[in-house]
Amino acid sequence: QKEVEQNSGPLSVPEGAIASLNCTYSDRGSQSFFWYRQYSGKSPELIMFIYSNGDKEDGRFTAQLNKASQYVSLLIRDSQPSDSATYLCAVLSGSARQLTFGSGTQLTVLP
Amino acid sequence: ETGVTQTPRHLVMGMTNKKSLKCEQHLGHNAMYWYKQSAKKPLELMFVYSLEERVENNSVPSRFSPECPNSSHLFLHLHTLQPEDSALYLCASSQVLQTFTSGNTIYFGEGSWLTVV
Repeated sequence: QKEVEQNSGPLSVPEGAIASLNCTYSDRGSQSFFWYRQYSGKSPELIMFIYSNGDKEDGRFTAQLNKASQYVSLLIRDSQPSDSATYLCAVLSGSARQLTFGSGTQLTVLP
Repeated sequence: ETGVTQTPRHLVMGMTNKKSLKCEQHLGHNAMYWYKQSAKKPLELMFVYSLEERVENNSVPSRFSPECPNSSHLFLHLHTLQPEDSALYLCASSQVLQTFTSGNTIYFGEGSWLTVV
């Protein structure tokens, strides 16, 4: 069983729409959750982190966490072509000293 | 520019070659990491150094040998690699070890694309 699972995509949305990216994790002791964006040929960059159940908003990005369902998501409102990238979900468990990454979801925003 | 610089950006090597990847961080961080990223696979943590001491080695084959001479530099020495080792190798750093609070983001370098022929 994969520790952090994401749909690989590709996910395509029209410009201006809401893009919804999902991630599930297997370790119930996980405490910290991160979303990284990786443009083609570039390194991952942190865009959101969340620790508590509920929603966390930052500009056009909203991270949602449901620890009971072991589910974390990223919503991108008013999607722009510049949002086209691979989005990596990463989880830090309470006991582990490392981030565990999902394989990423490739998002394409169509003009 | 994230403050983490990796060289070379691209490397092609034969299976009998010896080469090294270099990473330098200009952020004053105390922890550095090597990750491997293969196509369609999750990022895999290879090595972790904190204050120049190796604290994690995730069952990486001995043909990969890390070296951390000081808190700003990290090397990955490569020897007798296999074609399946072809991947993007990412160096990263953080202020302290693996406590990812808002003030301690992990920063990645641009990566070194390695092809083993």
